[in-house]
Amino acid sequence: EVHLVESGGVVVQPGGSLRLSCAASGFEFGDFAMHWVRQPPGKGPEWVSSITWDGENTYYGDSVKGRFTISRDDMKSSLYLQMNDLRHEDTALYFCAKDIGVAGTYLDSWGQGTLVTVSS
Amino acid sequence: IQMTQSPSTLSASVGDRVTITCRASKSINMWLAWYQQKPGKAPNLLIYKASSLQSGVPARFTGSGSGTEFTLTISSLQPDDFATYYCQQYSGYPFTFGPGTKVDIK
Repeated sequence: EVHLVESGGVVVQPGGSLRLSCAASGFEFGDFAMHWVRQPPGKGPEWVSSITWDGENTYYGDSVKGRFTISRDDMKSSLYLQMNDLRHEDTALYFCAKDIGVAGTYLDSWGQGTLVTVSS
Repeated sequence: IQMTQSPSTLSASVGDRVTITCRASKSINMWLAWYQQKPGKAPNLLIYKASSLQSGVPARFTGSGSGTEFTLTISSLQPDDFATYYCQQYSGYPFTFGPGTKVDIK
C-alpha cells in the first residue's frame, strides 16, 4: 500500500524559509514523478511543483517560481520542497502526491498534508 | 489553462442522479481527472483520462467529455458521496484544478 507522510510544516514569519519533507513507502519511489499540491484554508487545491522520476525536470507554479525548489532523494524514498521568501499567501496545507507515471499526469495517491502558516 | 466548474454548490438527496460540469479554457483532449475531497482529508482520485474509473471507486461514478467540456455523474447518490469534487487538467504544466463543487444534503 502506498504511504506518503509529509512533515516540516510550522508557523514561520514572512520572508522566512522552510523545508518540507515527504517520506514515501509501499512503492518503487524512483520510478514515479512526484508533486506538491497546496490547499489554503477553505479553498481548493493549487498545484505547486512537480519533479520527474529521474529528477531531471522540475516544474513550478507561477506563484512560487523562483522561491520554491523541489527535489528528491531516491535512496531515502523522499521528496522535498525548499520554500524561501515565504509570504502570507503561502499559508496552506501542503500535500505530497504520487503520479501514475514518470513525467506528470494525474495524482493517484496523496499524503495527509502538513500545515504551513506564514504569520508575523 | 483555466478550469471552471458548475454548479459551485449542489443540494441533493440520497438516490438522486447528480451531474457536475467542468470546462477548460482550451482543449485538453481527455487529460482530465476528477477527485473527491471530504473535510480534513486529502483529495481522492475517482476518474482519470476523462472517463476511466480508478480502481476501487464505485461504478456509480462515471466521467465523460473531451476537448473543453467534461462531466462527472453520480448515478445514485449515497450518504458517503456528500463531499467536494474537483476536476484537474494534466494536458501540460502548469497543472490546474477547478474551483470545486460541493455536494451537500438537501
